[in-house]
Amino acid sequence: NAGVTQTPKFRILKIGQSMTLQCTQDMNHNYMYWYRQDPGMGLKLIYYSVGAGITDKGEVPNGYNVSRSTTEDFPLRLELAAPSQTSVYFCASRRTENTEAFFGQGTRLTVV
Amino acid sequence: GDSVTQMEGPVTLSEEACLTINCTYTATGYPSLFWYVQYPGEGLQLLLKATKADDKGSNKGFEATYRKETTSFHLEKGSVQVSDSAVYFCALSEKTNAGKSTFGDGTTLTVKP
Repeated sequence: NAGVTQTPKFRILKIGQSMTLQCTQDMNHNYMYWYRQDPGMGLKLIYYSVGAGITDKGEVPNGYNVSRSTTEDFPLRLELAAPSQTSVYFCASRRTENTEAFFGQGTRLTVV
Repeated sequence: GDSVTQMEGPVTLSEEACLTINCTYTATGYPSLFWYVQYPGEGLQLLLKATKADDKGSNKGFEATYRKETTSFHLEKGSVQVSDSAVYFCALSEKTNAGKSTFGDGTTLTVKP
């Protein structure tokens, strides 16, 4: 049972480059989320989705984009990377609105 | 909007000491409450949860009770082990809000032998 899988685990980007963080889950969860975690801080919501074809902005969406073409996949796109996007990114999914979230292992991104 | 306030860390304890990490919340509705644990280099994983007032969540010797009157969900353990060293996050999610969780800033616990 893989749960939530994120790739890559680590990445270094140069300012202005773009990349896609991949997230897939095999639990048939409708709800999926992208968070970023900065040192010593909690998680901030970037984007979320309540089902295939439906996405919405979270607390800190600027500089990011998402798509949800299937229930399983929820990739996060960074356009024109900036040093402020240096962070650890977590993808999560949940079965219903008030059940527990399952997290991926995270992607540590450094923008230089 | 919703918010979660956690006891600031870091917290350092000796093995077999008692642990309490305070968590209070503000929510517009009737949220579910969670404690997640994060070990170094890993994602968050659920430690325990409670979905309604007076519920007690428990797991691996940890406990927390959903107190609506004080809007609190404090995490407790009677005797900590070195293996409990991790970062602990209190969180809430509201059914009416697409399950968007609000997290506290995390409390780092270090247990020394």
